[in-house]
Amino acid sequence: GAVVSQHPSRVICKSGTSVKIECRSLDFQATTMFWYRQFPKKSLMLMATSNEGSKATYEQGVEKDKFLINHASLTLSTLTVTSAHPEDSSFYICSASQGALQETQYFGPGTRLLVL
Amino acid sequence: SQKIEQNSEALNIQEGKTATLTCNYTNYSPAYLQWYRQDPGRGPVFLLLIRENEKEKRKERLKVTFDTTLKQSLFHITASQPADSATYLCALAGGGSYQLTFGKGTKLSVIP
Repeated sequence: GAVVSQHPSRVICKSGTSVKIECRSLDFQATTMFWYRQFPKKSLMLMATSNEGSKATYEQGVEKDKFLINHASLTLSTLTVTSAHPEDSSFYICSASQGALQETQYFGPGTRLLVL
Repeated sequence: SQKIEQNSEALNIQEGKTATLTCNYTNYSPAYLQWYRQDPGRGPVFLLLIRENEKEKRKERLKVTFDTTLKQSLFHITASQPADSATYLCALAGGGSYQLTFGKGTKLSVIP
């Protein structure tokens, strides 16, 4: 149980284009979803927290107009990197937590984004 | 500022031995602490959670201790196997928030 998927697993795009990453909880309803990015040999950095049906809460230094997050249902959250630039290249990981067990986050497999 | 340190970036250990990883924190009062395993190019996988009022927790070959006085958690893998080779992350949450703050991780290599 508690499986989270991400799609795509890997994406290469040109500078200036937008990329959408999907995060789905497959066998549970996720009241809260989190988006992280991770640089090589670095820790996971929380970008934003989203609750179903409400606006995401962004961490300091994360541009909400650049990283659009939508959490339209209890099983799906999307992250759109708008007007991507090479410095946006990173490993993006989502996680989801459920109901009374919000302490434990279940992570997706991650999405590798490369902006050329 | 809040700080989480996993003081070994890498740890090599012989198969069959006990691996011990350390997580120290400062300027933090976590309600609970978690350990995750991360393989290259993959998302973290939850292993264990230990609360501030718990001293020790076990799961199969894994053991976690939590000392809020020392502000330290130790993560042990007994009878280590090459398949245990991965990066292990500690993460803290507190202050009424479920948001996790991660350490940089320790890359464990178990040598046959």
